[in-house]
Amino acid sequence: TQLLEQSPQFLSIQEGENLTVYCNSSSVFSSLQWYRQEPGEGPVLLVTVVTGGEVKKLKRLTFQFGDARKDSSLHITAAQPGDTGLYLCAGVPLPTGNQFYFGTGTSLTVIP
Amino acid sequence: DSGVTQTPKHLITATGQRVTLRCSPRSGDLSVYWYQQSLDQGLQFLIQYYNGEERAKGNILERFSAQQFPDLHSELNLSSLELGDSALYFCASSPPIGDTQYFGPGTRLTVL
Repeated sequence: TQLLEQSPQFLSIQEGENLTVYCNSSSVFSSLQWYRQEPGEGPVLLVTVVTGGEVKKLKRLTFQFGDARKDSSLHITAAQPGDTGLYLCAGVPLPTGNQFYFGTGTSLTVIP
Repeated sequence: DSGVTQTPKHLITATGQRVTLRCSPRSGDLSVYWYQQSLDQGLQFLIQYYNGEERAKGNILERFSAQQFPDLHSELNLSSLELGDSALYFCASSPPIGDTQYFGPGTRLTVL
């Protein structure tokens, strides 16, 4: 059983469409990060959300941290082919706070 | 460029052999993490070091070991290699405060 479950696992959409990726857990997290990974490369940090209910925007990407700090979402507006990649949420659960967990991942393909 | 360096980029070896992967963290980062990523397993946390000491252990096999040296670089040693050890191995580092991790470009290990 994965501590952080992401949905959907795979997503294939047309350029210009909107999409939302979800990251859910039964554990509380001090913060959650979102990463994007391209094939054969390391994950690249997109954003860190820290406060429950927090919303952060990064150009066409909107990240939200759940009020209870157990879940997060990533919304992409007007997706572009350059958004293609594997999206991963990650964080350190409370109260132990030592081991870093990654989500199951969402593989996004944006078709031109 | 995350500032984390890993060598070598590619490694091809035979079953039963031993290899060493090297990682240099970003300047100022004290924590180093090692991950294994295979097609069917996703990103799996192996082990974390903080300022030379082991801090957290994940799904690391007994055939694998790691250490962090006084200059903060880290090495991951993989021995008695099996075909199933073929994967991408990532190193990440994080600053003294906060959970955010910065990933290196990875080492692709192929065991024949």
